[in-house]
Amino acid sequence: EAGVAQSPRYKIIEKRQSVAFWCNPISGHATLYWYQQILGQGPKLLIQFQNNGVVDDSQLPKDRFSAERLKGVDSTLKIQPAKLEDSAVYLCASSRDRGGYGEQFFGPGTRLTVL
Amino acid sequence: RKEVEQDPGPFNVPEGATVAFNCTYSNSASQSFFWYRQDCRKEPKLLMSVYSSGNEDGRFTAQLNRASQYISLLIRDSKLSDSATYLCVVNSGTYKYIFGTGTRLKVLA
Repeated sequence: EAGVAQSPRYKIIEKRQSVAFWCNPISGHATLYWYQQILGQGPKLLIQFQNNGVVDDSQLPKDRFSAERLKGVDSTLKIQPAKLEDSAVYLCASSRDRGGYGEQFFGPGTRLTVL
Repeated sequence: RKEVEQDPGPFNVPEGATVAFNCTYSNSASQSFFWYRQDCRKEPKLLMSVYSSGNEDGRFTAQLNRASQYISLLIRDSKLSDSATYLCVVNSGTYKYIFGTGTRLKVLA
């Protein structure tokens, strides 16, 4: 089966610009996650969707970050405006179950550099 | 106290050595536990789930100690290809996963 797809793979922007990332999860997976991974740290959950509803967005900086999952499939994560500290890898993952109990499958990530 | 804590390492071990990593968690209601492996500049991939009775997969053994709230990963007969970061993942007691910062392993020839 096809894995989790993400695009773009790399993005370089200047601070205060906007950027958007796209994720296509594994077909049939109900739960989709966006993580931020800063160099040397573990992934930090930004937002979790079950189908097209938000399950958890408690760590999403809502003044600048937004995410949506239309029709319970693809998802986009947007940063507007970007700050230097947003430089990180943004990982999308999906799982078959509602989250917390089964395997997560990760996409290759988008490496964001904010100058 | 962090919800999930790991020794970041790095652990530098010779080929053939046995190495063990521990991971402590703070939420006693956590119900599922995992070890993921992350190669440099790659995405995390599931190495193994950790079951209450402990489980083994080839050279890898995972154990859970609920009383002391930690999980462990033992790698026997280390190979060069085992060099990676090992991420401890714990469910938050509900539907959310919490990742540790990862332990870096380097196996030396």
